[in-house]
Amino acid sequence: GENVEQHPSTLSVQEGDSAVIKCTYSDSASNYFPWYKQELGKRPQLIIDIRSNVGEKKDQRIAVTLNKTAKHFSLHITETQPEDSAVYFCAASNNNDMRFGAGTRLTVKP
Amino acid sequence: GAVVSQHPSRVICKSGTSVKIECRSLDFQATTMFWYRQFPKKSLMLMATSNEGSKATYEQGVEKDKFLINHASLTLSTLTVTSAHPEDSSFYICSAGWFSGRGADTQYFGPGTRLTVL
Repeated sequence: GENVEQHPSTLSVQEGDSAVIKCTYSDSASNYFPWYKQELGKRPQLIIDIRSNVGEKKDQRIAVTLNKTAKHFSLHITETQPEDSAVYFCAASNNNDMRFGAGTRLTVKP
Repeated sequence: GAVVSQHPSRVICKSGTSVKIECRSLDFQATTMFWYRQFPKKSLMLMATSNEGSKATYEQGVEKDKFLINHASLTLSTLTVTSAHPEDSSFYICSAGWFSGRGADTQYFGPGTRLTVL
């Protein structure tokens, strides 16, 4: 089955700096890669997603890149703000189910 | 985005009792609902996938007789934790989505249910 690895597990940046979180997946059939933000005790919220026919997608301060050949995808957050502090999960989905990475706890220091 | 509700949000029960958790998609019809379990500071672990009108598909290591899933309609799925024990204490999250056959689509998560078994 699919195996999703996520790095780093924790990330601390200064406000205004950029943050990058990387994930790799194993199943070549995976075709949809969402990123979720989860605040403590809350549900995961979709922040951006990318499909396998696209290499890059951007939404304001957030961007995601996908390298299908290497089977890895990354989340980029620019101009980080304290409210970006949360746990971020990557996921990979084929037509049947979705597997999550282990999560990255991002802390943005003011 | 689409709205998924989950009820109850929090439940405390005695060991040996059964607990039912409901997951509803409020403004769309979900062909597929997923049940996840999340331990503190850990990722979401897929427990089972349920399609409306058919039996749920359980992940390896998840006891189907322990975690009963019913997906009676396109807007409602239930998870029943039978004969709950303290080790079943966890945060259970459902999600709802639709798979058009052309590829996977977004899942929308419920707010989660925190189960504590005494």
